[in-house]
Amino acid sequence: DAKTTQPPSMDCAEGRAANLPCNHSTISGNEYVYWYRQIHSQGPQYIIHGLKNNETNEMASLIITEDRKSSTLILPHATLRDTAVYYCIAYFGNEKLTFGTGTRLTIIP
Amino acid sequence: DSGVTQTPKHLITATGQRVTLRCSPRSGDLSVYWYQQSLDQGLQFLIQYYNGEERAKGNILERFSAQQFPDLHSELNLSSLELGDSALYFCASSTLGRRAAVEQFFGPGTRLTVL
Repeated sequence: DAKTTQPPSMDCAEGRAANLPCNHSTISGNEYVYWYRQIHSQGPQYIIHGLKNNETNEMASLIITEDRKSSTLILPHATLRDTAVYYCIAYFGNEKLTFGTGTRLTIIP
Repeated sequence: DSGVTQTPKHLITATGQRVTLRCSPRSGDLSVYWYQQSLDQGLQFLIQYYNGEERAKGNILERFSAQQFPDLHSELNLSSLELGDSALYFCASSTLGRRAAVEQFFGPGTRLTVL
């Protein structure tokens, strides 16, 4: 799996958009970019994934650069419940997930 | 609620003992994964089963073993427990199909404390 690099921590004001960056410069052509989050000690929660195109679902948007070397997860209107550790993972699919250290996002009231 | 259930939620035991953690995957999911999360190691993949067969192995100790039963539930057996085995143990499930990539859905975890 390609290595991903994320900032260790970020803050975001409640109600604002949270933009979480991820670098994956060695990602291969058939590796997807997956995002998970872990709220406190709960089980990781799937957020979104994409291959080349930008993706949006009810939780978030995923913007992948044209060269696929980086991506940004966007939480459009952050709430206090979005405080969590966010993991960006390069993933072929149908196999183990390799979690890094992620970004600890704190939503500030 | 992910649809994946794990029991028990908490387990406290002594060094040298053996415990069994249980996981029921989401309805229809054939693949089960086990992960360990300790304070110093982060989330680490242990082992994957698909439809009863071992499919992939990660950093799983020889003292640990797992199996997946015909009804697709899985058990993780930890024996000769050491203090360092204290961790959160997560089970995840996914469905393997024609899609190239599928998400994994995680259970709430079992917190194991070895005293």
